[in-house]
Amino acid sequence: DADVTQTPRNRITKTGKRIMLECSQTKGHDRMYWYRQDPGLGLRLIYYSFDVKDINKGEISDGYSVSRQAQAKFSLSLESAIPNQTALYFCATSAGEGYQETQYFGPGTRLLVL
Amino acid sequence: RKEVEQDPGPFNVPEGATVAFNCTYSNSASQSFFWYRQDCRKEPKLLMSVYSSGNEDGRFTAQLNRASQYISLLIRDSKLSDSATYLCVVGGYSGAGSYQLTFGKGTKLSVIP
Repeated sequence: DADVTQTPRNRITKTGKRIMLECSQTKGHDRMYWYRQDPGLGLRLIYYSFDVKDINKGEISDGYSVSRQAQAKFSLSLESAIPNQTALYFCATSAGEGYQETQYFGPGTRLLVL
Repeated sequence: RKEVEQDPGPFNVPEGATVAFNCTYSNSASQSFFWYRQDCRKEPKLLMSVYSSGNEDGRFTAQLNRASQYISLLIRDSKLSDSATYLCVVGGYSGAGSYQLTFGKGTKLSVIP
């Protein structure tokens, strides 16, 4: 079984709809992240959380919100989806072991906003 | 301002060839360096960390030049299975004071039979 899972894997929605992307992990990591990846732009950090009570904005948080429901769960919401939020979204986790720590990514959610 | 820059490629090389990827980063205070591999339509996965003294893992060799703010990845004896996009990743503190990773856009490698 995968250590980091994301649901849904694919989603098509319409402009103005609210949607939620969910991430769960069984690695026991405290740190969780949400990124988006666009062709030609690389991965960009949306939000991150270092523990259940800690939420921080990343590089591109506008239009998004997050919830850290438990150590193992971190969800990303688009309150009112717009077409330029069409992208591949990745959740990631890390153990907080220091500078050389690895981030482990989920399989991604492909989102299309019409 | 591009914080982590890579040649996007694609690099098309025959099996058995040696190929080198380069990466430059703009933040001189960066503290950690990595190469991640991303297969088509899949998630990124850590390939190797990059240490100041340089390090090797089988056919893969990574080098770091802090003075030039330059990172490299050398792949020897390329295999078909090496075909992927290679992401240069740099870690450091953001303006908000938290430690974050910054990803390059990636260099695409295609190894041809």
